[in-house]
Amino acid sequence: AQSVTQLGSHVSVSEGALVLLRCNYSSSVPPYLFWYVQYPNQGLQLLLKYTTGATLVKGINGFEAEFKKSETSFHLTKPSAHMSDAAEYFCAVSEGGGAQKLVFGQGTRLTINP
Amino acid sequence: DTAVSQTPKYLVTQMGNDKSIKCEQNLGHDTMYWYKQDSKKFLKIMFSYNNKELIINETVPNRFSPKSPDKAHLNLHINSLELGDSAVYFCASSQEGGRGYGYTFGSGTRLTVV
Repeated sequence: AQSVTQLGSHVSVSEGALVLLRCNYSSSVPPYLFWYVQYPNQGLQLLLKYTTGATLVKGINGFEAEFKKSETSFHLTKPSAHMSDAAEYFCAVSEGGGAQKLVFGQGTRLTINP
Repeated sequence: DTAVSQTPKYLVTQMGNDKSIKCEQNLGHDTMYWYKQDSKKFLKIMFSYNNKELIINETVPNRFSPKSPDKAHLNLHINSLELGDSAVYFCASSQEGGRGYGYTFGSGTRLTVV
């Protein structure tokens, strides 16, 4: 069974600073990996995904993530944080086979300091 | 036009009552899901339906019964509500099982049992 671990339940950065949210996964099959963002009292929105091909994937709002198989990681980065990036971020892995489901990490709350 | 819509958005009810949450998607997706988000923001899959057929049923109490009248709708009925059922319930949909596409989420239903 697959699993996802997000290192750090809370990350705080200054506006304009680099954002780095860490995600490590465990999967018995080649993983499909996702990052979602949840703003307060809203649903989850897909930021980006890795399926196959290029290991550096770009998403919305200036975010990107790099799939590193050797490190079983899929960390999310953004060069310059904006106040509007404050939200909860979830990393997820998709299991293969017929009964497919997304397994989520526990989430990382990103706070942006002015 | 909302892609995945859930009703109601908020639901406050007493212990022992029976309640339903409705979900509809207009994306033409063939798979729909129910996820539960607890007070610590952890997301866990409850059920998945593919073309009206139940394909995932996690270890959920049988007080929870999903019903899919057609592939655009997936409702969740909960009998004999308990305090521990208080959570945010998210409906989601995907195409081809979602493995390479990710999910589209509704905005959630916040259930409070008093």
